[in-house]
Amino acid sequence: KAGVTQTPRYLIKTRGQQVTLSCSPISGHRSVSWYQQTPGQGLQFLFEYFSETQRNKGNFPGRFSGRQFSNSRSEMNVSTLELGDSALYLCASTGLAGSTGELFFGEGSRLTVL
Amino acid sequence: ILNVEQSPQSLHVQEGDSTNFTCSFPSSNFYALHWYRWETAKSPEALFVMTLNGDEKKKGRISATLNTKEGYSYLYIKGSQPEDSATYLCASLAGANNLFFGTGTRLTVIP
Repeated sequence: KAGVTQTPRYLIKTRGQQVTLSCSPISGHRSVSWYQQTPGQGLQFLFEYFSETQRNKGNFPGRFSGRQFSNSRSEMNVSTLELGDSALYLCASTGLAGSTGELFFGEGSRLTVL
Repeated sequence: ILNVEQSPQSLHVQEGDSTNFTCSFPSSNFYALHWYRWETAKSPEALFVMTLNGDEKKKGRISATLNTKEGYSYLYIKGSQPEDSATYLCASLAGANNLFFGTGTRLTVIP
């Protein structure tokens, strides 16, 4: 069965712009979570969606937002981009509500902000 | 925010050597401990999800143990091979439904 798909894989933006990243989970998975990885940092939790509802949110400013559609696909949006937003953004899906089950990760979207 | 720490940050071992690394996490309100393997240019893959104190899990040459009372988990690799080279991440779930990851241990196995 197909894995978690993230698009785009790479993108370059300039400060002040906004960006939307997409994540298609494994078929049947209803939970999608997003993580940010910057050099020297562990994966930082952004938010988790289950059945179109945001269940948990990490400690990120309001410029970071997300949503989930009825087919479980999820998008995250970052508005007013800053240089520090340059990072690898990973999404992960699981068949269980919450994170007691293993996460299945996509390959990530690498964002560069100039 | 949960403080999950991994050590060492990186290590190099010779092919055939066995190795282990540590994940420390707060023991209060513990739910689960995850281990992931992340090879360069690929996505992280789950190795183990552990929930019970004293739990031991094994997958081939890789095994893990869990001590929830003192808040640590060990990952062991027996007879390291070059294909074991990767970053090994642990993550702790406590209370709320989100995982807190450590910064990982980067393992390089020298042929």
